[in-house]
Amino acid sequence: TQLLEQSPQFLSIQEGENLTVYCNSSSVFSSLQWYRQEPGEGPVLLVTVVTGGEVKKLKRLTFQFGDARKDSSLHITAAQPGDTGLYLCALRRHDYKLSFGAGTTVTVRA
Amino acid sequence: GAGVSQSPSNKVTEKGKDVELRCDPISGHTALYWYRQSLGQGLEFLIYFQGNSAPDKSGLPSDRFSAERTGGSVSTLTIQRTQQEDSAVYLCASSLLDTAEQYFGPGTRLTVT
Repeated sequence: TQLLEQSPQFLSIQEGENLTVYCNSSSVFSSLQWYRQEPGEGPVLLVTVVTGGEVKKLKRLTFQFGDARKDSSLHITAAQPGDTGLYLCALRRHDYKLSFGAGTTVTVRA
Repeated sequence: GAGVSQSPSNKVTEKGKDVELRCDPISGHTALYWYRQSLGQGLEFLIYFQGNSAPDKSGLPSDRFSAERTGGSVSTLTIQRTQQEDSAVYLCASSLLDTAEQYFGPGTRLTVT
């Protein structure tokens, strides 16, 4: 059973379009992380969100943590082919264990 | 500096054979983690090492899986009598502290035929 549910599973868009991926849980979590994984590589941490309602921006990426701390979203503005990859959300349990969602595979077509 | 490295990058083995996967963490990182990533699944925690403390093996799926970390640095994950369901990408990560950012290696893709 996944602690975190991610949607959609797959997303294919044209360069320049916007996209949003979602990460949801039935439980409240203290913090949530977003990672991007490219083929043949390990995941790379993009951001950690901690406070309910928090919004963080990383260039064209906007991350939001729900007020109730049970959901999060990642929005990409004007997507580029370099944004292609697997986007994973993860919550930290017991300080060091990370529990990951199944991920959203994003493909940005040139 | 060098990141986390793993070897081999790909391994194809026959069902029933044993395999060893190696992880070289970032120098100075005391915490080391192994995860498994199966097709369509997120990363699944396997085992955690921190300094000289007893490892947390709670994520190992069966007693065919074992891991060791020698000298607080290099780690080896061993899978005995491999089964087809063991086919996955095995990822290693290290961090400076328990709660610090985990840096992942590129993974070893294991295929059991």
